[in-house]
Amino acid sequence: AQRVTQPEKLLSVFKGAPVELKCNYSYSGSPELFWYVQYSRQRLQLLLRHISRESIKGFTADLNKGETSFHLKKPFAQEEDSAMYYCALRAYGQNFVFGPGTRLSVLP
Amino acid sequence: DAGVTQSPTHLIKTRGQHVTLRCSPISGHKSVSWYQQVLGQGPQFIFQYYEKEERGRGNFPDRFSARQFPNYSSELNVNALLLGDSALYLCASSPGARHFGAGTRLSVL
Repeated sequence: AQRVTQPEKLLSVFKGAPVELKCNYSYSGSPELFWYVQYSRQRLQLLLRHISRESIKGFTADLNKGETSFHLKKPFAQEEDSAMYYCALRAYGQNFVFGPGTRLSVLP
Repeated sequence: DAGVTQSPTHLIKTRGQHVTLRCSPISGHKSVSWYQQVLGQGPQFIFQYYEKEERGRGNFPDRFSARQFPNYSSELNVNALLLGDSALYLCASSPGARHFGAGTRLSVL
């Protein structure tokens, strides 16, 4: 069965510091990986997908199949990045499996 | 574009009761997925419907059921409510779960 783990429940960094939110997955095939973000009092929204290899709001994520990881990175954190971040996996023809989430707190 | 809309916003029920949650997808989207998000956890997949047909079901008991209507709106029904059903229920529009509703917060007392 597919599984997504996010080892950190809470990650606190200072403004301007680099950020890395960790995500590991277990799946024997080739999954699609996603990052979702939920800002305070807002609905869950898609941040980025590995397949599009895009950078959204300065965030990037690289799929490492060898390490089965899809870590989310940003070189310089901003206070407005404070939010809950969820990593999600979708196996071919199947539905999404979400990780437990990491709360990012960017301190001034 | 109104986005994905869910109703009601909040709901309080007692154990053993039945509840119906509603979702309207973005105009033109034919797929709806339902998720349960228990406090402190990530969303967990319950159902997906496409063109009124069930396309996926998560690991939930038969007390959970859903349907999709000709206008692509959807209902999630939960029978014989348990305390553990207390959660935020999310609806997503499109197969890619790109657009989520604000959710219905269900409290079972």
